[in-house]
Amino acid sequence: DQQVKQNSPSLSVQEGRISILNCDYTNSMFDYFLWYKKYPAEGPTFLISISSIKDKNEDGRFTVFLNKSAKHLSLHIVPSQPGDSAVYFCAASENFGNEKLTFGTGTRLTIIP
Amino acid sequence: SQTIHQWPATLVQPVGSPLSLECTVEGTSNPNLYWYRQAAGRGLQLLFYSVGIGQISSEVPQNLSASRPQDRQFILSSKKLLLSDSGFYLCAWSVGGEAFFGQGTRLTVV
Repeated sequence: DQQVKQNSPSLSVQEGRISILNCDYTNSMFDYFLWYKKYPAEGPTFLISISSIKDKNEDGRFTVFLNKSAKHLSLHIVPSQPGDSAVYFCAASENFGNEKLTFGTGTRLTIIP
Repeated sequence: SQTIHQWPATLVQPVGSPLSLECTVEGTSNPNLYWYRQAAGRGLQLLFYSVGIGQISSEVPQNLSASRPQDRQFILSSKKLLLSDSGFYLCAWSVGGEAFFGQGTRLTVV
């Protein structure tokens, strides 16, 4: 039972354009959501998070949007840069991050120079 | 500052051999500790998590076990490896909120 889903396994975006990565979840108890970036043969690194009391959180080029009614979140990267090429995982947790993280299957983002 | 150490970075083991992967965290107390696996073409699957010494929750039935002998030490083990145990194993810690990952261990069972 995949509680966190990333339906696009891959995405290619031109450098300078906006990258939009999507994530859906099924567990209505999730109230804390995170995005991680992963390069090959390395551990994931934390990018940005959002709690269910907000619908938007912004950090530099990265913005996460949360639509609780649709159980959907998205990560926007603008402008996209070649160094953004990586696998992106969304994750979710209950109890505002005090419970274990459940990850999606990841989306491989390729930025085309 | 907090750091997480995970070793070895790569490991090639024959089928039927034992396994022991170790993870230690520095700079924090009573963290939640996790073992994840990333198999080829799949996401990050939670294998075990621990909220304290000796407290281990297993997420999926498998050929692996975990132990937490000390507050900041988490060990992943197997008595007899299977081919299907091959993958990229990641240790992580958190104290609520985001989790921080080690560099991972690439395990190849041959």
